Amino acid sequence: EPEVTQTPSHQVTQMGQEVILRCVPISNHLYFYWYRQILGQKVEFLVSFYNNEISEKSEIFDDQFSVERPDGSNFTLKIRSTKLEDSAMYFCASGVEIQETQYFGPGTRLLVL
Amino acid sequence: RKEVEQDPGPFNVPEGATVAFNCTYSNSASQSFFWYRQDCRKEPKLLMSVYSSGNEDGRFTAQLNRASQYISLLIRDSKLSDSATYLCVVNPSDLIFGKGTKLSVKP
Repeated sequence: EPEVTQTPSHQVTQMGQEVILRCVPISNHLYFYWYRQILGQKVEFLVSFYNNEISEKSEIFDDQFSVERPDGSNFTLKIRSTKLEDSAMYFCASGVEIQETQYFGPGTRLLVL
Repeated sequence: RKEVEQDPGPFNVPEGATVAFNCTYSNSASQSFFWYRQDCRKEPKLLMSVYSSGNEDGRFTAQLNRASQYISLLIRDSKLSDSATYLCVVNPSDLIFGKGTKLSVKP
């Protein structure tokens, strides 16, 4: 069964450093998403991406964040200058159609020191 | 931002029990509704979509009341493996998650 994959599984970085989180969505999916979950809190939407552009973004997704689909398979989330409060689990998800089921990757646990 | 509210939990039940979770949502424009389950430190996994007519998948039954903006999940004959956090999820365009209700099924 096809799966969303994410790398790395864990990332530790120093405050102010740039990080890039990588995702490979399910191959025939057209809609891509990033979510985050701070430890003990709910899953929060960051951004959705369709047809090589951002469809929607939340207030969390400020100028420090960017997304890219550099080739036909990878979907990346970049945080330019990490802050302590960026420490969270970051989930990538993909779906065939908007408002339909989204399938989540296993997540990248980011720790900012 | 419009929210999704769930029973706070935790629910601690014996094996074989029937347990019900409730959820309300505030965005009346929501079109799609789901229950996901999330195991500790894992990703959310789709349990079932929720349709207006109600739907059942084995021991799991989901109901939607659009007029009341209310969603429910019923688990019958609960198993140890049902222990997880159950997330009510609403989709007006992107997924809005509830905080989840933790279920612990004891032998």
